[in-house]
Amino acid sequence: DIQMTQSPSSLSASVGDRVTITCRASQSISSYLNWYQQKPGKAPKVLIYAASTLQSGVPSRFSGGGSGTDFTLTISSLQPEDFATYYCQQSYSTPKTFGPGTKVDFK
Amino acid sequence: EVQLVESGGGLVKPGGSLRLSCAASGFTFSNAWMTWVRQAPGKGLEWVGRIKSRSDGGTTDYAAPVKGRLTISRDDSKKTVYLQMNSLKTEDTAVYYCTIRRDYGSGGNWFDPWGQGTLVIVSS
Repeated sequence: DIQMTQSPSSLSASVGDRVTITCRASQSISSYLNWYQQKPGKAPKVLIYAASTLQSGVPSRFSGGGSGTDFTLTISSLQPEDFATYYCQQSYSTPKTFGPGTKVDFK
Repeated sequence: EVQLVESGGGLVKPGGSLRLSCAASGFTFSNAWMTWVRQAPGKGLEWVGRIKSRSDGGTTDYAAPVKGRLTISRDDSKKTVYLQMNSLKTEDTAVYYCTIRRDYGSGGNWFDPWGQGTLVIVSS
């Protein structure tokens, strides 16, 4: 199975900050990497698929990058509604594993 | 509007059984590959398993921790996917979500949307 790791596990930031979350796969997964946002008590929602393709309706302040084993999710200017936990997930092979999550809260 | 509504969660004793349902609407269910993902309280997301569309063979795949105990099935006439849970363990306690696998070119896929989830508690 492909193992996914994320860093940091949590971060505190202010409105307007640029935030970057890193995801690493235990082997190359090309660009088969998705990012999800989950707010407390809610189901996850996809933000980015194929490493860098923004899902329809997702604000352009979210962007993704990377390929192979190293990936990033960047929020260019953090907004209050971005308080959430972010998960990466590989779709390269089954089982479709998720990273452990990065919790973003506000300073 | 695409909707997924899970039901069937509850409290069950270790070793017991439960069947979850996920009712779908707003899309062509028979063509969809359906997936179950779970989330233990305060923990991250864990892929549980997937069932292909009937036209793609209708086969299933499962995560190692649930293989042989959890079974995914579908009834296209009812637009419903099921998760039969047998020999339940305390570590199966989680919110269970169903979701649709969406494909993009070159073989990749993602999960969207997700249902609201149903909570299963395995405890004596």
